[in-house]
Amino acid sequence: DAGVTQSPTHLIKTRGQQVTLRCSPKSGHDTVSWYQQALGQGPQFIFQYYEEEERQRGNFPDRFSGHQFPNYSSELNVNALLLGDSALYLCASSSTGQGLDSPLHFGNGTRLTVT
Amino acid sequence: GEDVEQSLFLSVREGDSSVINCTYTDSSSTYLYWYKQEPGAGLQLLTYIFSNMDMKQDQRLTVLLNKKDKHLSLRIADTQTGDSAIYFCAEKRPGGSYIPTFGRGTSLIVHP
Repeated sequence: DAGVTQSPTHLIKTRGQQVTLRCSPKSGHDTVSWYQQALGQGPQFIFQYYEEEERQRGNFPDRFSGHQFPNYSSELNVNALLLGDSALYLCASSSTGQGLDSPLHFGNGTRLTVT
Repeated sequence: GEDVEQSLFLSVREGDSSVINCTYTDSSSTYLYWYKQEPGAGLQLLTYIFSNMDMKQDQRLTVLLNKKDKHLSLRIADTQTGDSAIYFCAEKRPGGSYIPTFGRGTSLIVHP
């Protein structure tokens, strides 16, 4: 039973470029959340997708956008990259059908470096 | 993430018990979680406790919840070098938002 998988594991981009990160949720999960974790910080919530729609959004600019596909996998897109976007991007899946007690299961993340 | 407070570092000797503390903000939070992050990896769910409980034990892990003081702790018995990692406390608030809020994490260092 595969857990949450993310690709790529590492990425180097230049300021102003655009990036797409990908996530496949754990089997049986239908909800995907994205977090940004800067060095030495806890994960900060970006947004959550359920039924192919953005259900909740954190305090991130519109440069951050996402998508969820019918198979529940998800993408995170970041446009006009800034140096401050360098971070570990974590995808987490859960099951909305389980209600409040469905904990998040995390992938190993994508390390994005913006130069 | 700063709404959930944790001390940044904890150093213990192998074989001793470790106690990692956390204070959270919302007394009506429904679930409280402990996650572990090893270098270069994502967050691994260790355990969680529902707000109507005051203690939960799972092998070497004991979670204590004091709702009055909004204080959560994680005790690791017989700490091993493999327990060295960053430990995150997270709270899940009620209402329309089912998104856990994380603290900055406590870096646990276990030395021989």
